[in-house]
Amino acid sequence: AQSVAQPEDQVNVAEGNPLTVKCTYSVSGNPYLFWYVQYPNRGLQFLLKYITGDNLVKGSYGFEAEFNKSQTSFHLKKPSALVSDSALYFCAVRDPRGTDKLIFGTGTRLQVFP
Amino acid sequence: NAGVTQTPKFQVLKTGQSMTLQCAQDMNHEYMSWYRQDPGMGLRLIHYSVGAGITDQGEVPNGYNVSRSTTEDFPLRLLSAAPSQTSVYFCASSYSTQGGNNEQFFGPGTRLTVL
Repeated sequence: AQSVAQPEDQVNVAEGNPLTVKCTYSVSGNPYLFWYVQYPNRGLQFLLKYITGDNLVKGSYGFEAEFNKSQTSFHLKKPSALVSDSALYFCAVRDPRGTDKLIFGTGTRLQVFP
Repeated sequence: NAGVTQTPKFQVLKTGQSMTLQCAQDMNHEYMSWYRQDPGMGLRLIHYSVGAGITDQGEVPNGYNVSRSTTEDFPLRLLSAAPSQTSVYFCASSYSTQGGNNEQFFGPGTRLTVL
């Protein structure tokens, strides 16, 4: 079955330090992978996606993600965290059985401390 | 562009009542979907549509109906509200292609409480 796992409910990091939010996936065929961010009381916003090509994908707000096929992972990273990055982050994979259907992880809350 | 809009923002229902959550997009997107977000469970797909007149069930369709008479609108109907339907509901849309590699645009959400 297709699935996405975000093993950490919460990640805490000090402002200025690098951050990583982990995501692993299980899907048949080539994965199309996405990261979304949700700020309090808001809808989800698209950050970046991996479809094909370079394993390192750059997205909005200085975020990037590394696709690792052998480890079936798509971790979200940022070299220097900001307090304003504090939010809920979702990893998602396209359901290969449908066109734009997405399967979401359970989310990871990122807390950046000043 | 207004993007994806949802109304109402908040709603309180009594058990057994029915209501419709509205969703509209002005981006001429083919694909539209409804999700519910519950703590610790991420987003779960309720229903989706790949174009006007075409709808299908997602992961958790029971207790909900949808229709897609126009490209712009995709209302979600709760037939007989139950406390288990207390949740935050998000509508999303994307420009669908055969490749399915397009990001989805989300509305601001509707927070529903069923007493």
